Amino acid sequence: KQEVTQIPAALSVPEGENLVLNCSFTDSAIYNLQWFRQDPGKGLTSLLLIQSSQREQTSGRLNASLDKSSGRSTLYIAASQPGDSATYLCAVRSSNDYKLSFGAGTTVTVRA
Amino acid sequence: KAGVTQTPRYLIKTRGQQVTLSCSPISGHRSVSWYQQTPGQGLQFLFEYFSETQRNKGNFPGRFSGRQFSNSRSEMNVSTLELGDSALYLCASSIDRVGQETQYFGPGTRLLVL
Repeated sequence: KQEVTQIPAALSVPEGENLVLNCSFTDSAIYNLQWFRQDPGKGLTSLLLIQSSQREQTSGRLNASLDKSSGRSTLYIAASQPGDSATYLCAVRSSNDYKLSFGAGTTVTVRA
Repeated sequence: KAGVTQTPRYLIKTRGQQVTLSCSPISGHRSVSWYQQTPGQGLQFLFEYFSETQRNKGNFPGRFSGRQFSNSRSEMNVSTLELGDSALYLCASSIDRVGQETQYFGPGTRLLVL
């Protein structure tokens, strides 16, 4: 069974600092990995999706890397802003059963 | 394009009752997935539908069921509600073609069981 871990559970940084969010998974047989953002009481917003054959994806200030062999992905957010405050979730889709497994998330607070 | 919509947004039920939640995917999306989110367990996969067929199922009891219609709209049903079923239920849709697997989530239905 795929286990997805996100450390730390919470993070507080001053505005302008770069954010580094970590995601690790136990089974390297993955189809893809997706990063989401969730605001309190809301649904999830997709940020980036990395296919298993890719090493990284970029969108604006966001960059996500994938190292399938070591079971790790990292989400970088450059020059953080208060509007980046949210919970960030990592989700891994297994290539065996196609199920999507989520981490518990990292709650980020960017202080103005 | 309109996003994923879920109805109702909020629901209060009592133990033993049953509930039906509805999800309308983004136009053109063929796959619909359902998730349960609770503070203790996080986001857990319930089931996934593609072309009116259940393609995948998570580890939930048989009280949880779903279906997908020919227009890709999906419903989820929970029978004999328990207090522990109180949660945010999220629906996500996807085009589900190679290279287009991004999941788009709805705002969720918050269910409170008393």
